[in-house]
Amino acid sequence: ETGVTQSPTHLIKTRGQQVTLRCSSQSGHNTVSWYQQALGQGPQFIFQYYREEENGRGNFPPRFSGLQFPNYSSELNVNALELDDSALYLCASSLGGTATLEQFFGPGTRLTVL
Amino acid sequence: SQQGEEDPQALSIQEGENATMNCSYKTSINNLQWYRQNSGRGLVHLILIRSNEREKHSGRLRVTLDTSKKSSSLLITASRAADTASYFCATYEIQGAQKLVFGQGTRLTINP
Repeated sequence: ETGVTQSPTHLIKTRGQQVTLRCSSQSGHNTVSWYQQALGQGPQFIFQYYREEENGRGNFPPRFSGLQFPNYSSELNVNALELDDSALYLCASSLGGTATLEQFFGPGTRLTVL
Repeated sequence: SQQGEEDPQALSIQEGENATMNCSYKTSINNLQWYRQNSGRGLVHLILIRSNEREKHSGRLRVTLDTSKKSSSLLITASRAADTASYFCATYEIQGAQKLVFGQGTRLTINP
């Protein structure tokens, strides 16, 4: 197992609500990336944080936002939830600037929007 | 957007047989990685092959990369029931964020 943890494991929300997902990166890693994985699909990149700054964003609307804290843990916030937001949300930590380029994934948060 | 496309989408074989999965991608890459995912859980990194490499081995895994055809293959030899999982290829885009672009995956089932 990687040292990346995510909370909560599962979450059920209704349309229009807001949700916050949390991720603790592996020790020593300063970069956190968030991915959304719909059922039966591959993960899709949402955004990345490097040293507390957003460092790239995928094709997701502004109601998807994030934060990275000084200890490099991170939050993903989703406002005005829609049914299509139901998915597995994965965070991955890595060490920016290295040549290894391997990302270590957490177990994910399963979000269900009713 | 999905960069890689895995083929086949699903594969079912008997334990002990070899499993081969293929991946095609569209743009120039720095490297290509293969990940495994068990039952909708987190992804586990299997192997990374750089754009200047043609073949790489790790235990029972063998990965090839053909940059001229923009394709890669993952071979799992002597399969085991524990290899049952979804397998994803992901290409590394170096522009800006260290972003991995995943394919839709191959669902591998190993029958005892």
